[in-house]
Amino acid sequence: EVQLVQSGAEVKKPGESLTISCKGSGYSFTSYWINWVRQMPGKGLEWMGRIDPSDSYTNYSPSFQGHVTISADKSISTAYLQWSSLKASDTAMYYCARRIAAAGLWFDPWGQGTLVTVSS
Amino acid sequence: QSVLTQPPSASGTPGQRVTISCSGSSSNIGSNTVNWYQQLPGTAPKLLIYSNTQRPSGVPDRFSGSKSGTSASLAISGLQSEDEADYYCAAWDDSLDGSWVFGGGTKLTVL
Repeated sequence: EVQLVQSGAEVKKPGESLTISCKGSGYSFTSYWINWVRQMPGKGLEWMGRIDPSDSYTNYSPSFQGHVTISADKSISTAYLQWSSLKASDTAMYYCARRIAAAGLWFDPWGQGTLVTVSS
Repeated sequence: QSVLTQPPSASGTPGQRVTISCSGSSSNIGSNTVNWYQQLPGTAPKLLIYSNTQRPSGVPDRFSGSKSGTSASLAISGLQSEDEADYYCAAWDDSLDGSWVFGGGTKLTVL
C-alpha cells in the first residue's frame, strides 16, 4: 500500500524553529515529487512548494519562498518542511502529497497531516 | 482570494444530483487538466477525480467530472449523507515559474 506518514502535532512559540516530516512507503520514493500544502484553520488548500527526491530540486510558491525550506533524505524515503523562525500566522495543518505525472498531473496519496500551533 | 473560483456552499437532499463548478483561466484550467479532492470532516484531502474525468479505483461512479474551456464541474448523483464534505478543484498553473492552484473549496451539505 502506498502511504505517506507525517510526524505528529507540534506546539511552538513564535521565533522558534521547526522541522516536520513525511515518510513515503510502498513505492519508489525517488520516482515521484513530494508537495507540501497548507490549510489554515477553517480555510482552503494552498500549495507551498515541491521537491524531487531524486536530486532534491525544489521550487516554491512565491507566497512561501524564503519563509520555509523543503528538503528530502532519499536514503530514508522522507521529505521535510522546515521553518527557522515561526510566526503565529504559521498555525495551520500541513499536508504532504505525492505528485503523479501520467496524462495529467495529480496528488495521490496525501499524508494524514501535521498540525502546527504557534502561540506565545 | 483563490485563483480558481468555486461556490462556497452547495446542498441537496439524499438521492438528488448536485454539481459544483470551478472557474479558472487560460494559464490553469484552460491549458492543464483538473483534479478534484474530497475532504471529509477532520481528515486529509483524498483524490476524487483526476485528469478532468477519471475516477481512481474505489471512487463510486456517482462522482463524475467534466471540463470545458477554462471551467470544470464535479457532479454527484444519488447524493448520500456520507458525501457531506468539502470539495476542492485544483490545476497546474503555467504562469511565472508554474505553481499548483486550488479553488477555495465548496462545502456540500446533505439536507
